[in-house]
Amino acid sequence: QKEVEQNSGPLSVPEGAIASLNCTYSDRVSQSFFWYRQYSGKSPELIMSIYSNGDKEDGRFTAQLNKASQYVSLLIRDSQPSDSATYLCAVEDGGATNKLIFGTGTLLAVQP
Amino acid sequence: KAGVTQTPRYLIKTRGQQVTLSCSPISGHRSVSWYQQTPGQGLQFLFEYFSETQRNKGNFPGRFSGRQFSNSRSEMNVSTLELGDSALYLCASSPEDPGGETQYFGPGTRLLVL
Repeated sequence: QKEVEQNSGPLSVPEGAIASLNCTYSDRVSQSFFWYRQYSGKSPELIMSIYSNGDKEDGRFTAQLNKASQYVSLLIRDSQPSDSATYLCAVEDGGATNKLIFGTGTLLAVQP
Repeated sequence: KAGVTQTPRYLIKTRGQQVTLSCSPISGHRSVSWYQQTPGQGLQFLFEYFSETQRNKGNFPGRFSGRQFSNSRSEMNVSTLELGDSALYLCASSPEDPGGETQYFGPGTRLLVL
């Protein structure tokens, strides 16, 4: 069974620090990777998508992908209390489908 | 563009009843996927529809079914509700091309089964 693994946390960082969230996946065929942010009681919101090895930056967010190691990460620079949420790593299942396999999420707490 | 909409937002049912949830995707999106989210299991894929055809199905019992209409709107139905069906049901839509496209989630329908 295809799996996506994340540390459940909580990951606690002080305001202004860099938060580093990690994810590993089991299916080598996967080509598309996503990070979603979910506030308590809300639905997931897309933060980043990444398809190629290397880094992809968008504002304070940087996604990193290493397909050889089957590893995806999300860095949040200058963390703010408003970044406190659960971050979900999602991996496309492969094939002609939009099925995503989600990790259980990492709870991030940014301390003022 | 308006986002994904789901109705109803909240629902309370009793065991044995059935329920129908509705999802309207982002305009122009033809792929609709459904997920169940529970504290214990996280986000689990239910099924995906593309151009009115079910393209993929997760590991859920046959009590869970869905369909998609010609305007891409989708419904999912759960029959003979069980307590364990209490969850947040999320609908996500994607653009035309299948495979690896970004999915955008609706606000969800929170179902409580008593």
